[in-house]
This record gives sequence, structure tokens and C-alpha cells, in this order.
Amino acid sequence: GENVEQHPSTLSVQEGDSAVIKCTYSDSASNYFPWYKQELGKRPQLIIDIRSNVGEKKDQRIAVTLNKTAKHFSLHITETQPEDSAVYFCAPTRGGGNTGKLIFGQGTTLQVKP
Amino acid sequence: SAVISQKPSRDICQRGTSLTIQCQVDSQVTMMFWYRQQPGQSLTLIATANQGSEATYESGFVIDKFPISRPNLTFSTLTVSNMSPEDSSIYLCSVEDGQGRDRELFFGEGSRLTVL
Repeated sequence: GENVEQHPSTLSVQEGDSAVIKCTYSDSASNYFPWYKQELGKRPQLIIDIRSNVGEKKDQRIAVTLNKTAKHFSLHITETQPEDSAVYFCAPTRGGGNTGKLIFGQGTTLQVKP
Repeated sequence: SAVISQKPSRDICQRGTSLTIQCQVDSQVTMMFWYRQQPGQSLTLIATANQGSEATYESGFVIDKFPISRPNLTFSTLTVSNMSPEDSSIYLCSVEDGQGRDRELFFGEGSRLTVL
């Protein structure tokens, strides 16, 4: 089965700095690569995803880059703000059109200090 | 995006009892997914529930412990049976919504169970 690892497990940055979280996976057939954000006491929500035929995707201050050869993808947050403080989960899957059965990484706690 | 309601939002349960969590979606969906999030941990898929058939359980989860019902396309229940303190977790219902590349997984608010 899929083996997923996230690094780092915790990350503390100053407001305005950039943050990068890396997710490595083992299943070479994975073709869907989402990132979820979970604020304290709230439900996880998809913030960005990428599919295997694309190397990079951006949405305002967040971006995801994919390296299928090396089997890792990364979440990039620029100009961090205190409201970015949350736990971030990657969930690589071979689901393709099926995004429901996800294997989540262990999570990265991001703290943005004002 | 799908709107998912779960009940109860939280409960405190006694060891050895069972509790049923309800999940209601505002649109018809083929599959519903139940996840568990143990305290401070990541999310783990328990099972996939299709309407009209038995749920499909992931490794480590069994029907006797987590029976699931799926009576129609907008509703599902998950029962946590014969609870022990190790079952203290947040249980999340989820569904897929959207088309093609916009398809994504949406979660309910979760049901936080504490077993004493």
C-alpha cells in the first residue's frame, strides 16, 4: 500500500515569510495529489490539488509542485499570514477521478507568528 | 459544494456502549466515506458506503465494530460498537462533489466521541 511521509512535522515562520511542506509517497501509480488544511477544531478542507500530468499549480499565495520521478510533491505558501496557522495534510492517491479514498500523511503543524 | 451535516457533534460515552453517528448530505451521492481522526493524529479511512450494498471496510476495520448503514443516496450512519477508550476520536463523514478536475472530497464537521 501507499506509504506517505510529510516533512517537517512542525514548522514555525514569521508572518510574511514563505513556508514549504514536502510530501513523499511510495506508490508510483499515484496520480492525484491534494493538500488539505485543518484549522483547530474544524473540518479538513481542500486548499489545492494537482494531477499527474501537471508539474505545478498556483492559486494566489499557495502553490503545489510535483516531481513524479522522485515521488514527492510540495506545498508552498508565500507571504504567510496568521490565518495560515493550521495543520496541513497531503493525501496522494491513485484515485484519478475517484478522490474519496485518500491516504493522508501524518500532518504538518504550521505556526505563523505575527 | 456539498453540505454535510453530522449528528451528534460530540458525545461522552461509557465503556461498553455503542453510539450511532448520522450523516446527511444536501445532494444525492453515490459513495459516502467514513474517516477516523484519533487525538492529534491524521485521518484514516474506515469504510466506503454505497447505497444498496454492504460497506467496504479498510484494513484494520471490521463490520462488527463499525456497522454502517446507507439506506438512501443522501444519508448514512456509522455505529461505533462496544466502545473502549481507544475509540475516542473524531469521526468524519465525507463525500465527493464536483466534476472532472474540480472534483474533490468534502468533510462534515465531525463527531467527537470521548469514551470513559
